[in-house]
Amino acid sequence: TQLLEQSPQFLSIQEGENLTVYCNSSSVFSSLQWYRQEPGEGPVLLVTVVTGGEVKKLKRLTFQFGDARKDSSLHITAAQPGDTGLYLCAGAAGGTSYGKLTFGQGTILTVHP
Amino acid sequence: DADVTQTPRNRITKTGKRIMLECSQTKGHDRMYWYRQDPGLGLRLIYYSFDVKDINKGEISDGYSVSRQAQAKFSLSLESAIPNQTALYFCATSDLWAGTYNEQFFGPGTRLTVL
Repeated sequence: TQLLEQSPQFLSIQEGENLTVYCNSSSVFSSLQWYRQEPGEGPVLLVTVVTGGEVKKLKRLTFQFGDARKDSSLHITAAQPGDTGLYLCAGAAGGTSYGKLTFGQGTILTVHP
Repeated sequence: DADVTQTPRNRITKTGKRIMLECSQTKGHDRMYWYRQDPGLGLRLIYYSFDVKDINKGEISDGYSVSRQAQAKFSLSLESAIPNQTALYFCATSDLWAGTYNEQFFGPGTRLTVL
């Protein structure tokens, strides 16, 4: 069974601070996705990283896939209240996991004005 | 209009009742999924379907059943609801041609409470 450990589970910071969320596994994934979920809504895909060592930027959000494709991180620079939400990482793999995603437990981020 | 819709959005029911949650999509995707979300546990897969004739159990299928009535419709049933099935339920779709990337598109969720 593939597992994704996401940390921290909760993050409460002030506007303007930087933060990093981590997603770790002992399994190799073909791709790693990050989703954001706001209250009353379903998760929305932010980014997919595919290549080991890949870095993608989405405005103030930077996503990195580990060299061995077993871990990923999400870094937010100068967080804003609009960044508040639940962040989920999800890994995709082949074999018996083909067509399915393994989700981390999620990180609840609160950015205070 | 939303690409993935779920009905109802909220439901309160009693132990032992049969409940059906419905999902419809206009994205034209072949793959559909049902997840359950509990605080601190992320999303857990209940059932998934790669086409109308294909139904597969996920990691927590006990107590649930599904029906894929058409490419666009995937229903989740709780035959005899119990309180520990109180949770948020999400339907999701993905494109067959997404390969192993399997990027998914989620509905707005159904909040189910079993008393």
